[in-house]
This record gives sequence, C-alpha cells and structure tokens, in this order.
Amino acid sequence: ETGVTQSPTHLIKTRGQQVTLRCSSQSGHNTVSWYQQALGQGPQFIFQYYREEENGRGNFPPRFSGLQFPNYSSELNVNALELDDSALYLCASSFSRMNTEAFFGQGTRLTVV
Amino acid sequence: QQQVKQSPQSLIVQKGGISIINCAYENTAFDYFPWYQQFPGKGPALLIAIRPDVSEKKEGRFTISFNKSAKQFSLHIMDSQPGDSATYFCAARGNFGNEKLTFGTGTRLTIIP
Repeated sequence: ETGVTQSPTHLIKTRGQQVTLRCSSQSGHNTVSWYQQALGQGPQFIFQYYREEENGRGNFPPRFSGLQFPNYSSELNVNALELDDSALYLCASSFSRMNTEAFFGQGTRLTVV
Repeated sequence: QQQVKQSPQSLIVQKGGISIINCAYENTAFDYFPWYQQFPGKGPALLIAIRPDVSEKKEGRFTISFNKSAKQFSLHIMDSQPGDSATYFCAARGNFGNEKLTFGTGTRLTIIP
C-alpha cells in the first residue's frame, strides 16, 4: 500500500451534476497530481498542486477544478458532468513538485449516466 | 497528442521467459522515465525508474534499458511469473516547469504456465 487514499471508491452520477473526489496524500508529501484514466488507456494528467497552489494543468476544460489543503490533501471537482467523464480518477502524491517517485491511490471509479 | 508511444498493446509470455515492453518518446525535455504496474481495480504502482544519464538500471527481475540517442526505453522482466500478469505503463516526466507524468497507452501482460 502506498499511503495515498482516495474516496469514494465508486460513484454514479447523472449527466449535468457536480462531483467532488478526495485524496489524502502520503505523509511527508507536498505535491498532489490528478489523472483521468479511461478504460484501456493510460492515465491523462489533469492538474497538479504544490503547496496549495496549482502548478500545472493538462488539456482539460475549466469545469475540472481542484484544491489542495494545508495538510496537503486534495479535492478534484467536476461540474456539469458529461458521459465522457466516466473514468477512473487517480490521485498521485510525491515529496516534491518534480514527481520523482509519485505514488498513486487506488482511484475513484466515476460513472456518469 | 501522444508523446510516449508504447508497444506492444498486449503480450503473452510463458512462465520463466523474458517479457519485453518498449516505449519511444519525442520530447527531448523529458528527464525521468518511470514504469508502473497496474492490477485490475487498483492504481498504478511504481516499479522502477531511470534517468537519461544511465543506459541501464536493474532491480531484481526488472531491468530498464535506455537509449537516449534513439529516444527509446524498454522494460525487461526476467523469469516472468504468473503474478507478473498485469498492465504495464511507461511514463516520462518533463523538466522544471512541466513536471507532469506523460503515460504510454499500456501493455497488458499475461504470463501462462
């Protein structure tokens, strides 16, 4: 186990709704990254937070937003859910913004119906 | 825009054999190359990683070979075991200011008795 925990593990939402996913980073880690993994694909970078500030963003629309708290845990918020948002959402934490030895949580499986 | 190309998509190897997975990248700014192992329903787990100033790194049965001039790197699993059956992802990290991990599309490895 990596020490990175995500909640919830599974979630079903209706198109148009909003969702919040949570991530607790490994002790000592100050950087959290979020990834979207569609079925049969590699993880795609959404954004990264370093010491409570966003310091990198992938090719995702603004309805994907995030937050990092003083204890370095993090949230991913998705507004106006679309069917294509159905995926495994992964959180990774590392001890620096350089993402050396980034450890992933088990993910949150989001299904949009 | 896929910056890390991974092959093959799937691989079947007999127990005790050598499994080889290949990746190629385009961005010469990449400076760290990890491999992740993912079991169904789990998040990716860091397996082994290499920096471009080293041509080979070995950890137990797992070896990364790196060819900087060809912009290619590969994972070799020696004495492959049924427990190695999983999906493997190569990844590459950008340098300062772009530290996200860019993943390949994955290789589903099956080890048969």
